[in-house]
Amino acid sequence: NAGVMQNPRHLVRRRGQEARLRCSPMKGHSHVYWYRQLPEEGLKFMVYLQKENIIDESGMPKERFSAEFPKEGPSILRIQQVVRGDSAAYFCASSPQGDWETQYFGPGTRLLVL
Amino acid sequence: DAKTTQPNSMESNEEEPVHLPCNHSTISGTDYIHWYRQLPSQGPEYVIHGLTSNVNNRMASLAIAEDRKSSTLILHRATLRDAAVYYCILRDIYNQGGKLIFGQGTELSVKP
Repeated sequence: NAGVMQNPRHLVRRRGQEARLRCSPMKGHSHVYWYRQLPEEGLKFMVYLQKENIIDESGMPKERFSAEFPKEGPSILRIQQVVRGDSAAYFCASSPQGDWETQYFGPGTRLLVL
Repeated sequence: DAKTTQPNSMESNEEEPVHLPCNHSTISGTDYIHWYRQLPSQGPEYVIHGLTSNVNNRMASLAIAEDRKSSTLILHRATLRDAAVYYCILRDIYNQGGKLIFGQGTELSVKP
């Protein structure tokens, strides 16, 4: 059973461009979480999604950031008009329906904004 | 979710036991104690969790104080691969499926 997959692993964008980060949860997992780790800081929750629904987006910045988890395909974290402060590691985690206790994390996408 | 307090860093020697403490004096009766760790340049990894009783698994043991205001993660024989940041996290049993709130964690270094 493959783990949580994230791509790309590294992404370089110039200020003002868009960044799209993809997360494929573990097989059979219907819950996806996104976290951000700024340089020298801790992990911060961003958003929690189930298939086609956003359950908790309390950690999402109000502007430029959006997330989706469609019925088919990976979850996408989209950052529009990136700024240097968006440079961070973005981690996705998944958990199965009915086993809320454990979240399984992917290797992360390192976003660098020039 | 209630707050936890951990030392910023700890050192250990290889093949010796390591005791990583966590204080959670405002824990509620429905809070589970979870531990995750993050190896360098990797995503976090689940280690163990418990509610009241001590817990063991292949990775570690979790010792929970009788009043539940503190807990200790025990690595029985530290290896170089155990060098990581260890996070102690409280999760309300009613917060099923919800977010993890990470603190600063304890950075464990292991000396050969």
